[in-house]
Amino acid sequence: DTGVSQDPRHKITKRGQNVTFRCDPISEHNRLYWYRQTLGQGPEFLTYFQNEAQLEKSRLLSDRFSAERPKGSFSTLEIQRTEQGDSAMYLCASSRTQNSYEQYFGPGTRLTVT
Amino acid sequence: EDKVVQSPLSLVVHEGDTVTLNCSYEVTNFRSLLWYKQEKKAPTFLFMLTSSGIEKKSGRLSSILDKKELFSILNITATQTGDSAVYLCAVPNPNYGGSQGNLIFGKGTKLSVKP
Repeated sequence: DTGVSQDPRHKITKRGQNVTFRCDPISEHNRLYWYRQTLGQGPEFLTYFQNEAQLEKSRLLSDRFSAERPKGSFSTLEIQRTEQGDSAMYLCASSRTQNSYEQYFGPGTRLTVT
Repeated sequence: EDKVVQSPLSLVVHEGDTVTLNCSYEVTNFRSLLWYKQEKKAPTFLFMLTSSGIEKKSGRLSSILDKKELFSILNITATQTGDSAVYLCAVPNPNYGGSQGNLIFGKGTKLSVKP
């Protein structure tokens, strides 16, 4: 399968714990995006990378969220001191630079904070 | 505030019906509009529209953009149960240094096709 993959697919954690998600993009895509989606809403942009450089970060994103893409391939999204409001589906997408609007999404990681 | 509004939010039809989904947008420096289909998990890309009045078509799905009236429609003819999904509309967000890729999504239209 050469699509975008995410791990884990589901994560249940207690409030206050840290969690980390991984995304492996399509190999020839140098742009990688993180979105968050809650029930009944469309995906909401969090951050994106061009190769290993983090170029944009949502102004709404808490300092508890951090993302990395150290070698320009896979990316991790960490949430520190999780809160119940962090419960959502976290989607990763990738694209080529020249067709950056045509984004290919992974299956998502569903986070439940209890 | 830049935004994307989709209507209806949900729709129930029977197999064989034709449906029209609507997406209106308000965004400065418009570049393009995209349609995605989201079944259980990942949204999958359907169309990207940049020019007004030019229809994009893929099988039973087609879409057209009206840049003057700031909306797009997605048509699905001869619907099948496999068309049941949430259909998302998105536009690039112009507010982050002008760089590309950050999408603003609407809430989606949930389409249910009954046999």
